[in-house]
Amino acid sequence: EVKLVESGGGLVQPGRSLKLSCAASGFNFNDYWMGWVRQAPGKGLEWIGEINKDSSTINYTPSLKDKFTISRDNAQNTLYLQMSKLGSEDTAIYYCARWGYWGQGTLVTVSS
Amino acid sequence: DVVLTQTPVSLLISLGGQASISCRSSQSLVHSNGNTYLHWYLQKPGQSPQLLIYQVSNRFSGIPDRFSGSGSGTDFTLKISRVEPEDLGVYYCLQRTHNPFTFGSGTKLEIK
Repeated sequence: EVKLVESGGGLVQPGRSLKLSCAASGFNFNDYWMGWVRQAPGKGLEWIGEINKDSSTINYTPSLKDKFTISRDNAQNTLYLQMSKLGSEDTAIYYCARWGYWGQGTLVTVSS
Repeated sequence: DVVLTQTPVSLLISLGGQASISCRSSQSLVHSNGNTYLHWYLQKPGQSPQLLIYQVSNRFSGIPDRFSGSGSGTDFTLKISRVEPEDLGVYYCLQRTHNPFTFGSGTKLEIK
């Protein structure tokens, strides 16, 4: 069974950084592009970016490229999202995704 | 960026009825490899989005044949026949032809 479990969310102050993780299981992690999507409270879905199998290609939504960094550790079957200079507009549920499957998401709240 | 315009914003459908959702793109979604990467997702209340239809008209694993997708180029449609209570939620189209990938703004399906 494919499982994607995000962690690392929580309350963070404006201007600070936060790193999210996504633990994958039930499939060969090395074989898939992986991505992140977010959803602000009561709003629609926003694609953040995705990373290819060997981390040689990473695509971002341009408006988020300067503050978000996607990486992966194939040995640990884990996807990461490093977020910096966070603002209230970054308050959202952050989902990890691969083809056909999404995690349950982790909530990030940016507030003082 | 590609803009996906979904209509209607909301739908009120009787049990057993049919729903139709439109997704129009600001540019053609035909990839240079000939494929069209337009997908449909359903986000049920309190859940993460689930893939229904991929590449315009292909049902994902476990999706009943009550769900069907059609279209080409810039105009796409999701049809749900014999609507059941578990179909309620917000439906999103997603294009993965052009970077950055983008979602439609969503269509909320409510059941009478």
